[in-house]
Amino acid sequence: DQQVKQNSPSLSVQEGRISILNCDYTNSMFDYFLWYKKYPAEGPTFLISISSIKDKNEDGRFTVFLNKSAKHLSLHIVPSQPGDSAVYFCAASAQDGTASKLTFGTGTRLQVTL
Amino acid sequence: NAGVTQTPKFQVLKTGQSMTLQCAQDMNHEYMSWYRQDPGMGLRLIHYSVGAGITDQGEVPNGYNVSRSTTEDFPLRLLSAAPSQTSVYFCASSRSQETQYFGPGTRLLVL
Repeated sequence: DQQVKQNSPSLSVQEGRISILNCDYTNSMFDYFLWYKKYPAEGPTFLISISSIKDKNEDGRFTVFLNKSAKHLSLHIVPSQPGDSAVYFCAASAQDGTASKLTFGTGTRLQVTL
Repeated sequence: NAGVTQTPKFQVLKTGQSMTLQCAQDMNHEYMSWYRQDPGMGLRLIHYSVGAGITDQGEVPNGYNVSRSTTEDFPLRLLSAAPSQTSVYFCASSRSQETQYFGPGTRLLVL
């Protein structure tokens, strides 16, 4: 039972354009959502997060949108750069929002082309 | 700060062998976790700890054992390795209700 779903295994975007990565969840108890970025042979690194009390959080080129009624969140990268090419994982936590127990999606591989 | 360190980086085991994956952090984080990453499965939580002396099971705990005798260290033990445990293992740490910092991973192959 996949509680956090990333239905697009891969995405290719031209440099300078917008990248939109999507994530759906089924557990209504999730109250904190995160995006992690992972390069090959490295551990995931935190990118951006959002609490369920918000519907948008922005950090530079990265913006995360949360639609609680649809149980959907998305990560927008504008403008996309070649260095953004990586696997992006959506993650969620429940209850008191502790980040020690995360449920991850299966990841989306983003390729930013020149 | 070294952050989260993991050893070894790569290990080959035979079925039935045991081993310990080491994880250490120097950020004085209370929370530490172990995940495994398999193709098409994302990262799945194996065990986690909310402080020294306290551990709990995650989503896929079978075949693994953990202990947390100090704040800094959180080793993961494979009791009797099986081919199904071939995976990449990540250790992570965080303060309470903050984002997790991941180590570089240990790639394990069980023959």
